[in-house]
Amino acid sequence: GDSVTQMEGPVTLSEEAFLTINCTYTATGYPSLFWYVQYPGEGLQLLLKATKADDKGSNKGFEATYRKETTSFHLEKGSVQVSDSAVYFCALPGGGSNYKLTFGKGTLLTVNP
Amino acid sequence: GAVVSQHPSRVICKSGTSVKIECRSLDFQATTMFWYRQFPKKSLMLMATSNEGSKATYEQGVEKDKFLINHASLTLSTLTVTSAHPEDSSFYICSARTGTGGQPQHFGDGTRLSIL
Repeated sequence: GDSVTQMEGPVTLSEEAFLTINCTYTATGYPSLFWYVQYPGEGLQLLLKATKADDKGSNKGFEATYRKETTSFHLEKGSVQVSDSAVYFCALPGGGSNYKLTFGKGTLLTVNP
Repeated sequence: GAVVSQHPSRVICKSGTSVKIECRSLDFQATTMFWYRQFPKKSLMLMATSNEGSKATYEQGVEKDKFLINHASLTLSTLTVTSAHPEDSSFYICSARTGTGGQPQHFGDGTRLSIL
């Protein structure tokens, strides 16, 4: 079945550092891929998405490129801020008409000033 | 766009009472809604999937008589935790999506349920 393997944290960075959170997947076909972010005490927000191979999703300075050859969708940001401290989830929709999401385990990012 | 409102955000109640949580899609029609439970420092655990006008599909191990789900309209789903006990204390999150292709799920802000 479908699965998502996500870099386990926690990740602690200083402000303005470069961020990479690795995500690889196994799936049938070529599903859309998503990154969600969860700030403390809140639900999940869609951060960015890519719908086909070589697509690059971007939002709020974050980027991720859909790499079919390496089945990866790594999240990157060139210069993190304290306000980026959150848990990040990589996800892909499964098969079937309901498109249930398969999540990675989440990566806690803490950015220190 | 794609706003999902979940209410209440926090509820504290006594053991044995029933608690209803509402999930509304404010600016789109949600053909499918999902209910999740999240334990501290863990990923989301899918409890059930509901399609408007039909019975919810529960994941293995989730008690359907304990967690009643109703999806009466294209913009509203409710989760009722019946006869709640302390072990039901958790963070419950709903999400909603439209029915076309690989559209993402849009999440509510979650409900922190505490059973005393």
